[in-house]
Amino acid sequence: QSVLTQPPSASGTPGQRVTISCSGSSSNIGSNTVNWYQQLPGTAPKLLIYSDNQRPSGVPDRFSGSKSGTSASLAISGLQSEDEADYYCAAWDDTLYGPVFGGGTKLTVL
Amino acid sequence: QVQLQESGPGLVKPSQTLSLTCTVSGGSISSSSYYWSWIRQPAGKGLDWIGRIYTSGSTNYNPSLKSRVTISVDTSKNQFSLRLSSVTAADTAVYFCARGHYGSGTFWFDPWGQGTLVTVSS
Repeated sequence: QSVLTQPPSASGTPGQRVTISCSGSSSNIGSNTVNWYQQLPGTAPKLLIYSDNQRPSGVPDRFSGSKSGTSASLAISGLQSEDEADYYCAAWDDTLYGPVFGGGTKLTVL
Repeated sequence: QVQLQESGPGLVKPSQTLSLTCTVSGGSISSSSYYWSWIRQPAGKGLDWIGRIYTSGSTNYNPSLKSRVTISVDTSKNQFSLRLSSVTAADTAVYFCARGHYGSGTFWFDPWGQGTLVTVSS
């Protein structure tokens, strides 16, 4: 059971906009920033969004993050086939005194 | 650019100790503001943080594993290591090392190593 809650799956067609939600609590998302990771099949996770809505160099601006209260969202616009991957949210947890992850959302591009 | 690479046995017997090393290249492990972490992922499942170490040697561990985990750093070799004792089949997973960026209210991992599969079996 993951500390952060994500839907197990999401899907969209090429060109569409999809969003993935991440729900937490006051000890994690409610008081700390959220990060998102993309894990392509058979590879290591890659940082996609940090500090709620910041993109590392090289990440397309099709990817965006937002946060409100104890929930966060990842939006992907102009969906492409290469976006098919698992997406994980994460945040520092003040109770655990460590980072916690969501269970992951498998994105399928139809 | 900084790269991380995990190494160690891919097969460990139950009740024994799992030992992995992460070698950092392209940068110094002694750089300030970074924590060096281990994360694992059982097959088909999500990510679990194991623990982290600062170059000073200070550590933080996931409470669920704290009694069995030791993370250490060797700055002379630009490496940090993981030891997990008394392993069971539940410890079978892909183990990743990663560089952690820490700031007020924020902590993220970038980059990650490619990961190494460790299977616990007799």
